[in-house]
Amino acid sequence: DTAVSQTPKYLVTQMGNDKSIKCEQNLGHDTMYWYKQDSKKFLKIMFSYNNKELIINETVPNRFSPKSPDKAHLNLHINSLELGDSAVYFCASSPGPSYNYGYTFGSGTRLTVV
Amino acid sequence: QKEVEQNSGPLSVPEGAIASLNCTYSDRGSQSFFWYRQYSGKSPELIMFIYSNGDKEDGRFTAQLNKASQYVSLLIRDSQPSDSATYLCAVSGGSYIPTFGRGTSLIVHP
Repeated sequence: DTAVSQTPKYLVTQMGNDKSIKCEQNLGHDTMYWYKQDSKKFLKIMFSYNNKELIINETVPNRFSPKSPDKAHLNLHINSLELGDSAVYFCASSPGPSYNYGYTFGSGTRLTVV
Repeated sequence: QKEVEQNSGPLSVPEGAIASLNCTYSDRGSQSFFWYRQYSGKSPELIMFIYSNGDKEDGRFTAQLNKASQYVSLLIRDSQPSDSATYLCAVSGGSYIPTFGRGTSLIVHP
């Protein structure tokens, strides 16, 4: 059983389109995250939810909107996609919001905007 | 701005040798330190964490923390070709989420 699963694994789309990425964890964790990894492998936090509540919202264009219907799911919707949005997006989870916990990452979604 | 610095490498070591990966951080208030391994095209995987000064060993891996000097290291003993990956250091504590370094690429050659 996959602990943190993301879909789709690959996403190729044209500029201006709207797309969504879904994430689910079966670890019973309370906290979930979205990270963006650029071409230089730098991992940058985007959002974090704790038990369905938004607790971290970094400086991200408002074209990006996360949603957490329950604590096991965290989705990311992106409007009006731009070339610079091309990256790998990772979902992650941790037992709680304490910053002493390590993360379990999903397999990632490689987004390519053409 | 909290910073985590790693040498991007690649660090090349022969099979069976000890690989030493280093990470420095800027915030003296940091409390938790993590090492993740990321194979090419895969997601990061947590392999070690350390909270206290000193050494922590887990199998072939040893994490070393020196808060006074603000560095954390990962030693991999008896390196294997399967250890070839990018190793990400992450540092957190207090009111902020982990900050990741850009990673060090390790190549273990037979």
